[in-house]
Formats: sequence, C-alpha cells, structure tokens
Amino acid sequence: TQLLEQSPQFLSIQEGENLTVYCNSSSVFSSLQWYRQEPGEGPVLLVTVVTGGEVKKLKRLTFQFGDARKDSSLHITAAQPGDTGLYLCAGPHSNSGYALNFGKGTSLLVTP
Amino acid sequence: EAGVAQSPRYKIIEKRQSVAFWCNPISGHATLYWYQQILGQGPKLLIQFQNNGVVDDSQLPKDRFSAERLKGVDSTLKIQPAKLEDSAVYLCASSAAAPRSTEAFFGQGTRLTVV
Repeated sequence: TQLLEQSPQFLSIQEGENLTVYCNSSSVFSSLQWYRQEPGEGPVLLVTVVTGGEVKKLKRLTFQFGDARKDSSLHITAAQPGDTGLYLCAGPHSNSGYALNFGKGTSLLVTP
Repeated sequence: EAGVAQSPRYKIIEKRQSVAFWCNPISGHATLYWYQQILGQGPKLLIQFQNNGVVDDSQLPKDRFSAERLKGVDSTLKIQPAKLEDSAVYLCASSAAAPRSTEAFFGQGTRLTVV
C-alpha cells in the first residue's frame, strides 16, 4: 500500500485567513482525490486530480497535483467556519482497482 | 438519489462479544467497500466487493472479521469476538462500475465502542 503523508495534522485559524495543507508520497499516483469529512459523517469527494501539474478550483478551494504526481496541495482562501472538517487525500489502493488508500488527514478548525 | 445507508449509527459492546453492521449501497452501484476509521486516522480499507464477489480482503483480520454481500446488494460486516482495539467508525462506501478514480460515496458510518 502506497503511503500518503498529510501535513499539518491540525490547523486552527480565524475566519478570513488563508491556509494550505499538503499531501505527500514517495510513490507516483495515477490520480489523487481530496475528501472532506465533517464530524459524524462520511467523507465527501471534493476533487480528483489526474494530470501532473494540474490545478483545479472549487470556489475558494484550489487543488494542485505535483508535476511528478507524488504530491498535492489544497489551498483555501478566506476560510469560513463552514470549511471546518477533516481534509483527507486519497490515492488508488495498490491491490485494488477502485478502492482508496487514505492519508491520516488534516483537521481544520475555522473560528468566527 | 438516496445515499449509502448504514445501521446502527452507534454500538457499545463488551470485549469478546459479537457485533454486526449493515450497509445498503446506492442503487445500481456494483462496488461496495468497508473501511475502518480509528480516531485521528484516515479510513483504512477492510474489504472490497464487486457485485457479490470479493475483490480485495487482504487487510481484513479474518480471524475475527467477516463480511458478506449476498445477492450483490446489501452487505454485513461482523466482528466476533470483539477486542478493545476494534473501537472505531466503520464506514461503508459504494461506487459505480467505471474506470479507475471513480467517486466513492460514503455512508455516515457506525461508531463502535468496545469496553
């Protein structure tokens, strides 16, 4: 199973601040996905990145896939309390076509 | 479209007891997964079904965990006997039969506490 390291593990910021979280691996991925998980809920897909160097935007969220397809970042502009949650990156599980291998996640708290 | 349904939402049992979790995937989704999420960690794949066949169960502790997906729809995950370290959220997910990187839809999970 390919290891995904996420940093930071925890992040507490005030509303309106910008932040970046990272997902790194020593392995090359054919694709990476970012999920957000709110307390008491299952993860929900935010984006899938496939091409090295790809940048995708989802409102105030910007996702980037590294040129070598070993890392990815998520940047949030002007964070809001509704952005609070656990941000998980995931790549294809090595033994299975569609299953996912998740990182430990970054727990984000945005306070008003 | 109805999402992935799981029950129960919460379960507290004593160690060495048995427990079962149920999952109903999104209608038409051929692939079903069970993940275990321990507090402070990301979900870890336990087993993947394609229709009613097992695709990957390499990380399922088979001495105590079992899972089945009869008729290729609903699935149950059983733990017998439970250990303290089994305390976790058990997430069920489903996805359509498609090329790699297809989206997985997760249920709300079952939070298991073993005391």
